[in-house]
Amino acid sequence: QVTLRESGPALVKPTQTLTLTCTFSGFSLSTSGMCVSWIRQPPGKALEWLARIDWDDDKYYSTPLKTRLTISKDTSKNQVVLTMTNMDPVDTATYYCARISSSYNSAFDYWGQGTQVTVSS
Amino acid sequence: QSALTQPASVSGSPGQSIIISCTGTSSDVGGYNYVSWYQQHPGKAPKLMIYEVSNRPSGVSNRFSGSKSGNTASLTISGLQAEDEADYYCSSYTSSSTLVFGGGTKLTVL
Repeated sequence: QVTLRESGPALVKPTQTLTLTCTFSGFSLSTSGMCVSWIRQPPGKALEWLARIDWDDDKYYSTPLKTRLTISKDTSKNQVVLTMTNMDPVDTATYYCARISSSYNSAFDYWGQGTQVTVSS
Repeated sequence: QSALTQPASVSGSPGQSIIISCTGTSSDVGGYNYVSWYQQHPGKAPKLMIYEVSNRPSGVSNRFSGSKSGNTASLTISGLQAEDEADYYCSSYTSSSTLVFGGGTKLTVL
């Protein structure tokens, strides 16, 4: 059974760095073809893809946010961590992590429930 | 990396069919058969409905189907049911090895 769960602070101040952790089970990120992405959704708005890390440690970032994002994995802990620097109120959103497997090529077959992050002083 | 273009809203009556379009460019939708569709009910995480343009994951109703022509992908829902009322998002792989979502479409079942 595949599950993903996001965790992190619910409230961050402007200019601070956000660190989010995705803890997953039911698959290994060392298995060929497995990837984990981060996606966010501001209140009432559309989904926005942020970053992806692959089983072989390749990393990809949203072009507009590339300078602010870092994604990493700890395979032994079944965790993927996303850091976003210089947070701004426009970064207020629900942040999701989701899995891509080789069976679904670039499609997210499992999602976490999301974690809400508010940026405010 | 511009978002894919979807209609803001569509509607239909129970039993009818509707189509949601998703328009991109030759660098994303038109260039790859890696278009996906997601259903999102209020307050819930998105659910994968279609992958690789036209494939349905196990457990997804065959009332949902996908297709693509040029730079535009489409999601068709036939035999509309009240439970289909939700937001729908398309997604595509891009030439930059990134992913991009559409702006979302709110489906109302009348």
